[in-house]
Amino acid sequence: DVKVTQSSRYLVKRTGEKVFLECVQDMDHENMFWYRQDPGLGLRLIYFSYDVKMKEKGDIPEGYSVSREKKERFSLILESASTNQTSMYLCASRSPGEGESTEAFFGQGTRLTVV
Amino acid sequence: SQQGEEDPQALSIQEGENATMNCSYKTSINNLQWYRQNSGRGLVHLILIRSNEREKHSGRLRVTLDTSKKSSSLLITASRAADTASYFCATPGSSYKLIFGSGTRLLVRP
Repeated sequence: DVKVTQSSRYLVKRTGEKVFLECVQDMDHENMFWYRQDPGLGLRLIYFSYDVKMKEKGDIPEGYSVSREKKERFSLILESASTNQTSMYLCASRSPGEGESTEAFFGQGTRLTVV
Repeated sequence: SQQGEEDPQALSIQEGENATMNCSYKTSINNLQWYRQNSGRGLVHLILIRSNEREKHSGRLRVTLDTSKKSSSLLITASRAADTASYFCATPGSSYKLIFGSGTRLLVRP
């Protein structure tokens, strides 16, 4: 079974802290994603990585950065956490496939609360 | 930028009834996917339909795709309480991205 594992299910951090959200996948997928999910807004793409050390901004990259030093690991970094970054964060991976017709596999999500 | 928009936002039905959710998108696509999310969890892939397909079945799921109207529908037949979840459509974006809609929350009452 494909597994995408996020390091924490629940996280509480203080305003101004540097926060690391870790995601590991075991299927040798090239593509990895970080989304945030807020009520009524669906999933919004924060950052995307298509290979080691390669990244591309999504729709809402402000206040976030990412790191992909190894193929299996994709980290999301909140440089200085703020209360408006309280959200559910979802990591996903997928193989590029032919015609982009491959499914994405998701982690269980990290519910981050910034106080 | 959201590509797909689901309709309705929320749906409440009785067990045994059919549930239909719709997705509209903006640009040309070569495939469309549907995902399910149980409360507070990650998403799980349900089904993919390609642009040259009009209809696809998987168990109690039936998906249609109308590329001329840029819309897709997901039908769950003979719904069960365990089908209670949020359902999302997803379309390809640029550079292998996957763009999700805002989802339909389905409640199946026992």
